Amino acid sequence: AQTVTQSQPEMSVQEAETVTLSCTYDTSESDYYLFWYKQPPSRQMILVIRQEAYKQQNATENRFSVNFQKAAKSFSLKISDSQLGDAAMYFCACLVTGANSKLTFGKGITLSVRP
Amino acid sequence: DVKVTQSSRYLVKRTGEKVFLECVQDMDHENMFWYRQDPGLGLRLIYFSYDVKMKEKGDIPEGYSVSREKKERFSLILESASTNQTSMYLCASSFWTGPKGETQYFGPGTRLLVL
Repeated sequence: AQTVTQSQPEMSVQEAETVTLSCTYDTSESDYYLFWYKQPPSRQMILVIRQEAYKQQNATENRFSVNFQKAAKSFSLKISDSQLGDAAMYFCACLVTGANSKLTFGKGITLSVRP
Repeated sequence: DVKVTQSSRYLVKRTGEKVFLECVQDMDHENMFWYRQDPGLGLRLIYFSYDVKMKEKGDIPEGYSVSREKKERFSLILESASTNQTSMYLCASSFWTGPKGETQYFGPGTRLLVL
């Protein structure tokens, strides 16, 4: 079974600055996906970014990018030019493909953005 | 856009009551999931389904059951609600394959309070 670890429960960033959220995972499988989800206060969980493990290139979505280090089993999220709307809880998750594949989540990190 | 809806945003029930949480998705997704979210624990998988009338236990199925009579609808049932089932319940759905395969899309959540 896979595990996902987000060791920092909270982080804070100044508006317009850059912040990196850390995530490590562990799986013995070679075929898997990694995700970052965002959950704003009292709002719906939405997908931020997704990375296929077989792809060497780091995924990017506008101001969001990942640093995927497969050998180190690290999957950090970088948010550039932070905005007030980025304040939320962020979850890292891993999904191993195949029969009965399940998404395993980290415990989440609360990001606050200072104006 | 994918739309996943849940029947209630907030629900208050008494210990011993039978509780039904409904989830509907409009994208013809094969897979549907029920999670509970608790502070400091992240999201934990209760049950999932890969097809109509099919169900699989997740990591914490005790005290819960599910029903999937139609492809678009997945119900979570608390047969006899207990106070330790007070939580946020999230439904999600996904495709098997394709460009967005395996990516789970979440509903807004149901915050259940059991008194």
